[in-house]
Amino acid sequence: DAGVIQSPRHEVTEMGQEVTLRCKPISGHNSLFWYRQTMMRGLELLIYFNNNVPIDDSGMPEDRFSAKMPNASFSTLKIQPSEPRDSAVYFCATAGIGATDTQYFGPGTRLTVL
Amino acid sequence: AQSVAQPEDQVNVAEGNPLTVKCTYSVSGNPYLFWYVQYPNRGLQFLLKYITGDNLVKGSYGFEAEFNKSQTSFHLKKPSALVSDSALYFCAVRDKGGYQKVTFGTGTKLQVIP
Repeated sequence: DAGVIQSPRHEVTEMGQEVTLRCKPISGHNSLFWYRQTMMRGLELLIYFNNNVPIDDSGMPEDRFSAKMPNASFSTLKIQPSEPRDSAVYFCATAGIGATDTQYFGPGTRLTVL
Repeated sequence: AQSVAQPEDQVNVAEGNPLTVKCTYSVSGNPYLFWYVQYPNRGLQFLLKYITGDNLVKGSYGFEAEFNKSQTSFHLKKPSALVSDSALYFCAVRDKGGYQKVTFGTGTKLQVIP
């Protein structure tokens, strides 16, 4: 299994531009999580999907952030418009349906907004 | 609400010595507990988890953790540290009664000195 796949691995953009981060979960995993990691705030859960349905988006910072999961094989996190304070590493993690299933993380996307 | 505390930002240990990385938790019910490791510029990697049963859990790379319900702790241990163990370690907790949302600690940087 290739594990969780994220793209791009690095993104540099200018303030005001739209940014789209992509995630392909491990096949068969029903749950998908988007996290953001910064030095100041550590690891933050942004949104959680179960069976492609958003369950908890209370961690999404503001309306500039949106996430979709159109099918079991793909999810996107979009920031529009981007701001310098959005600079962070964004991780996608997925887990199976079992109550004790472990989350497996992708390699992350390092976003820099200038 | 569930929470995790990692009281040490950094732990330094000499190579070959035993290491301990501390974690305490708070949940309303019975916990699922996890340890993850993050190497530079990488995603989090699963090390081990406690679900039920034996309080001593063995995981990857020779790590183990001891669940102590009375002290609400789940400390990570290794009998003999390697320089390659130097990394950022995260403790995480999930309430058995809740959905799959996992709360992560702030992380402890382990530095193994040759």
